[in-house]
Amino acid sequence: DAGVIQSPRHEVTEMGQEVTLRCKPISGHDYLFWYRQTMMRGLELLIYFNNNVPIDDSGMPEDRFSAKMPNASFSTLKIQPSEPRDSAVYFCASSLADNLVNTEAFFGQGTRLTVV
Amino acid sequence: DAKTTQPTSMDCAEGRAANLPCNHSTISGNEYVYWYRQIHSQGPQYIIHGLKNNETNEMASLIITEDRKSSTLILPHATLRDTAVYYCIPAISGNTPLVFGKGTRLSVIA
Repeated sequence: DAGVIQSPRHEVTEMGQEVTLRCKPISGHDYLFWYRQTMMRGLELLIYFNNNVPIDDSGMPEDRFSAKMPNASFSTLKIQPSEPRDSAVYFCASSLADNLVNTEAFFGQGTRLTVV
Repeated sequence: DAKTTQPTSMDCAEGRAANLPCNHSTISGNEYVYWYRQIHSQGPQYIIHGLKNNETNEMASLIITEDRKSSTLILPHATLRDTAVYYCIPAISGNTPLVFGKGTRLSVIA
């Protein structure tokens, strides 16, 4: 498997524009996580899904942020409208629920978002 | 409140063992100790985890104290490619959302 795939790797957009970040989890994984990393706040969980259903979105900073998982192989994180303070690296991660074997989270390479 | 306490930074000579400590005095009985690392410009990478027994894999060893209030990650022969930020994270399972602290920035020096 190619691992967790995120696109784009880099995004530069103007304030007020809509931004959509994409994630393809590892095939067969049933948990998907979105994190954001900034120098000031470090790595923070935004939202996570189990079997395509959002479980906890309390980390989503405000209504401008939304995330969807229409199927098991694709998720999006949308920011509308974007603001300069949204500039960060956004990571997607996936993991497999397995009661027999302890599991781990696999992270993508991240999307570096710059809002000017 | 921080769940873990780790040194901000550490240096290690290439080829030597790197010992990274972590205090997690409030860890729950059902929480594992997970270690991840983040190499510059990459996503975090799983290293190892344990509950109460010491663990070893191809990347590292994990030593957990008997009271489970602290642990040490050991990279037996550090290389330049081990330069990264190392995170110690208590979690119930690998499917639990990870709560990242500030971690330890390890610099391996030639």
